[in-house]
Amino acid sequence: EAGVTQFPSHSVIEKGQTVTLRCDPISGHDNLYWYRRVMGKEIKFLLHFVKESKQDESGMPNNRFLAERTGGTYSTLKVQPAELEDSGVYFCASSQDSGTATTGELFFGEGSRLTVL
Amino acid sequence: RKEVEQDPGPFNVPEGATVAFNCTYSNSASQSFFWYRQDCRKEPKLLMSVYSSGNEDGRFTAQLNRASQYISLLIRDSKLSDSATYLCVVNRWGSQGNLIFGKGTKLSVKP
Repeated sequence: EAGVTQFPSHSVIEKGQTVTLRCDPISGHDNLYWYRRVMGKEIKFLLHFVKESKQDESGMPNNRFLAERTGGTYSTLKVQPAELEDSGVYFCASSQDSGTATTGELFFGEGSRLTVL
Repeated sequence: RKEVEQDPGPFNVPEGATVAFNCTYSNSASQSFFWYRQDCRKEPKLLMSVYSSGNEDGRFTAQLNRASQYISLLIRDSKLSDSATYLCVVNRWGSQGNLIFGKGTKLSVKP
């Protein structure tokens, strides 16, 4: 079974440009999450989709970030315009049900590394 | 103060050694507790959940002390393949998937 896949694995852009990251969750997983790790910091939650609906977007840093999950399958995270402090690794994760409060098992992708110059 | 605090290490130990990692959390509303493992430039993977009664999975033992808001992970008979960063993770009551991560403790097991 395929795991969570993310694209691109690495993106280098200039400040002010736009980048779109894509995540394909494990097939059948209704829950999809975006997390981010900036240099030297801990991994932080960005948002949570249940199917196509945003369940929790409390971690989104500002309105330069837009996440979508049309059709409840893959998701995209767009950063527009990118700033230097957006550099980091963006992880996508998925889970089958919302019981993560108990099981804690999120399946993570390998991440998309974003470098903003 | 960070919500989840860990000693960053690195812990450099010989094969066969026993090593213990500690973690403290500040939010008493925390409900669920986990250890994740992350290899270099790879994704985090769930290692084990942590229960109040303590739990063991092979060479790994996890303990939770709710009164002290303290979590531990003990690795016995360390293997070279245990080298990784170990992330302490907490989930708040009523939060689904909004996991709070510590910065991680790096372990390096040497031959």
